[in-house]
Amino acid sequence: DVKVTQSSRYLVKRTGEKVFLECVQDMDHENMFWYRQDPGLGLRLIYFSYDVKMKEKGDIPEGYSVSREKKERFSLILESASTNQTSMYLCASSLSLQPQHFGDGTRLSIL
Amino acid sequence: DQQVKQNSPSLSVQEGRISILNCDYTNSMFDYFLWYKKYPAEGPTFLISISSIKDKNEDGRFTVFLNKSAKHLSLHIVPSQPGDSAVYFCAASANDGATNKLIFGTGTLLAVQP
Repeated sequence: DVKVTQSSRYLVKRTGEKVFLECVQDMDHENMFWYRQDPGLGLRLIYFSYDVKMKEKGDIPEGYSVSREKKERFSLILESASTNQTSMYLCASSLSLQPQHFGDGTRLSIL
Repeated sequence: DQQVKQNSPSLSVQEGRISILNCDYTNSMFDYFLWYKKYPAEGPTFLISISSIKDKNEDGRFTVFLNKSAKHLSLHIVPSQPGDSAVYFCAASANDGATNKLIFGTGTLLAVQP
């Protein structure tokens, strides 16, 4: 079974802090994704990567950056956290033309 | 602009009956559609998919129907079970090669009453 592991289930940070969310997958998937889930808005794509060191903006990239130095790891970075970035963050991975597999999410609160 | 819409935020069904979840899309370039199920405090799990070359795909109790002319798909669950209670998201993709970028709907909360 595919395993997508997100480093924290719950995280509380302060406004202005630099925040790192880590995601690791164990199935050699080339594609990795970061979403945020908010009530009434569904899942919205922040960034994705289709190869090591490659990244593409999703629908809501503002205020975020990503890093993919190794194939199995995809990091989401909040450069200067703000309260409107309080959300559930979900990481996913996939092979080409295959369904995405998700981690269990990180609930991030920015105070 | 919401390209994938789930207009029913919630649905309540009796155990043993049919659950029908609906999804509409606006982008005619979408050619692959998926349904995901999400329990609280867990990530979404893939349920079933359909390519635009088909109009129906079935997997056990789950069937997805696609009406391309109406830009509409639906997920049927028969018979519904209490364990099916979850949020269901539909998602769509335009085949852009390898990247599998998905657009998700806002979700429908299904409650199956015992």
